[in-house]
Amino acid sequence: KNEVEQSPQNLTAQEGEFITINCSYSVGISALHWLQQHPGGGIVSLFMLSSGKKKHGRLIATINIQEKHSSLHITASHPRDSAVYICAVRSEGGADGLTFGKGTHLIIQP
Amino acid sequence: DAGITQSPRHKVTETGTPVTLRCHQTENHRYMYWYRQDPGHGLRLIHYSYGVKDTDKGEVSDGYSVSRSKTEDFLLTLESATSSQTSVYFCAISESTLRRDTEAFFGQGTRLTVV
Repeated sequence: KNEVEQSPQNLTAQEGEFITINCSYSVGISALHWLQQHPGGGIVSLFMLSSGKKKHGRLIATINIQEKHSSLHITASHPRDSAVYICAVRSEGGADGLTFGKGTHLIIQP
Repeated sequence: DAGITQSPRHKVTETGTPVTLRCHQTENHRYMYWYRQDPGHGLRLIHYSYGVKDTDKGEVSDGYSVSRSKTEDFLLTLESATSSQTSVYFCAISESTLRRDTEAFFGQGTRLTVV
């Protein structure tokens, strides 16, 4: 069973700061997902990665397959970025869904 | 946004009563999943389906059953609700597990309280 660890668990930062959230996993994967969940809200997919780097607006996600590690970066953070960010992995040939980290609770203060 | 709808969105029920949650999709995706989300835990898989009438257990399946009689609907039933089943339940869908670029889409969640 894949073990997914996220750090930090909680992060409070000031508006404009550069944010990094880390995710590591224990077993080889076919894909890694970064998800966003606002308080009381649903879960939205931000990125899906199997290699390299992806960028969407102020969000950047990277993955290092050899080191079993991924990072989510937020540039020029804004209070609306406040949310829980969740890393999830799909194991090789995994029909039985995703394995999730416990999430990183991010608060961006004005 | 993917067409995935959960109902009800909120429910309060008494211990010992049966409860059914519904997940409905309009994407014709083959795979459907039920997860529960609890403080201090990541989302955990309850049951999943890989086709009509094809289901299998997940990590935390005790006390739950599922049915999938149509591609678009995946039902989660708590046969006799207990307080430990108070949680937020999420349905998810995906088209395939064979392709590396397979996206996962989530419903809005159902907040269930068992009193």
